Amino acid sequence: QKEVEQNSGPLSVPEGAIASLNCTYSDRGSQSFFWYRQYSGKSPELIMFIYSNGDKEDGRFTAQLNKASQYVSLLIRDSQPSDSATYLCAVNSKNRDDKIIFGKGTRLHILP
Amino acid sequence: NAGVTQTPKFRILKIGQSMTLQCAQDMNHNYMYWYRQDPGMGLKLIYYSVGAGITDKGEVPNGYNVSRSTTEDFPLRLELAAPSQTSVYFCASSYSGVGARGQPQHFGDGTRLSIL
Repeated sequence: QKEVEQNSGPLSVPEGAIASLNCTYSDRGSQSFFWYRQYSGKSPELIMFIYSNGDKEDGRFTAQLNKASQYVSLLIRDSQPSDSATYLCAVNSKNRDDKIIFGKGTRLHILP
Repeated sequence: NAGVTQTPKFRILKIGQSMTLQCAQDMNHNYMYWYRQDPGMGLKLIYYSVGAGITDKGEVPNGYNVSRSTTEDFPLRLELAAPSQTSVYFCASSYSGVGARGQPQHFGDGTRLSIL
């Protein structure tokens, strides 16, 4: 089982709709969860991080964490063409303070 | 507002050549990382450091070396470049580790390296 799994996409969403990106992880002891956005040819940039079960909102972005089911999701409300990018999920491993594991990312395409 | 600075941005090497990719951060971060990203793939950890004088291997360390003599700098050395090392290389840093309530990593702009 891969440590961090994401659907590679592309996920196509109409402008103005809600984009839902999902990520599952294998290490039940993981404690820190991050979402990065990466535009083509650019470096990853942090969008959200979440540590506790439930929802965390920041502007149009909401991160959702369910540790029992081992998944973390990112919702983007009122999707804009500028949200078109690859979204990387990253998770720390239990007892490993020094590094995180990245998923391969989901390509999101917002349709104008 | 420099953050994480990587040089060079682009480089073409011939097979067998060597080079050093530079990475510097001005955020007083203890942790630094080197990743490579191949087209359509995720980030693979090459080497990382939790402080000056301390380095450790990541997922794909073969063909690379690192050193961390200062908090600010974390150069990545390629010895005997091979076509399989053609990739985009990202350096990242964080203030502390990524355990409970871990700190996020901040990335440099990357170095695009082609080995011909």
